[in-house]
Amino acid sequence: NFMLTQPHSVSESPGKTVTISCTGSGGNIASNYVQWYQQRPGSAPTTLIYEDNQRPSGVPDRFSGSIDSSSNSVSLTISGLKTEDEADYYCQSFDITTGVVFGGGTKLTVL
Amino acid sequence: QVHLVESGGGLVKPGGSLRLSCVASGFIFGDYSMSWIRQAPGKGLEWVASISSSSVSANYADSVKGRFTISRDNAQNSLFLQMRSLTDEDTAVYYCARAVYPLSSGYSNWGQGILVTVSS
Repeated sequence: NFMLTQPHSVSESPGKTVTISCTGSGGNIASNYVQWYQQRPGSAPTTLIYEDNQRPSGVPDRFSGSIDSSSNSVSLTISGLKTEDEADYYCQSFDITTGVVFGGGTKLTVL
Repeated sequence: QVHLVESGGGLVKPGGSLRLSCVASGFIFGDYSMSWIRQAPGKGLEWVASISSSSVSANYADSVKGRFTISRDNAQNSLFLQMRSLTDEDTAVYYCARAVYPLSSGYSNWGQGILVTVSS
C-alpha cells in the first residue's frame, strides 16, 4: 500500500523558515498530485497547497510546495514564520490501489 | 463563497447506525466529486469515502467498506454518509470536503466537521 510519512513534529523561531517533508513509500509520489493542509487547534483543516505547488487564493506566498522525485518526497516550506502558523500540517495524495492517502501529520511549534 | 455544513452526528451505541448529511452552497455541487474524511480524537486525518459528481462511482477505505455508504442528491446540493455496524473505532469528527477540480483527488474546501461518538 502507498503511504506518506511525515516527521511527527518540527519547531522553529518566528521569522525563520521551516520545511516539512512528506516521503512516499510503496509507490511513486510523482504519479499523483500532493496537497498540503493546515489544521489549527480546534478547527477544521484548510487547504494550503494543491497540485504539488499551487496556492489557493488567500494563502500567503510564505507557503510553498515542492517535489523531489529523486527522494520520492515533497516538501512544504513556510518562510517568515509567525506564531499563527503554529498548527498541524498534513500532506495528502492518491494511489489507484490504496485510494486517498494522508500523511500522519506534523505538529509545527513556533517558539 | 463555498460553504459545507455537516449535520447528523451524535452519540450512538456500538452496532448502531447513523446518517450524516452535508449541505453545500456557493458552487455548482453537481460538478464536483465529494468526500468524507474523519479524524479520531487526538489522531490524524483518515479518508473514509469519495463519490463522483454524478454518483457513477464510489470508493471506500478498507476500514469502512461494507458498513458505510456514501451518496449524494445533486438536486438538493447534499452529500450523505450512511454508517452501519458502528464500533468505538468509528468515533471521530467527520468532515465533508470538495475536490479542488471536478476530477481532482485533492480537496479545496472543508466543512466544519461533525462529531460522531460510538459508546455504550
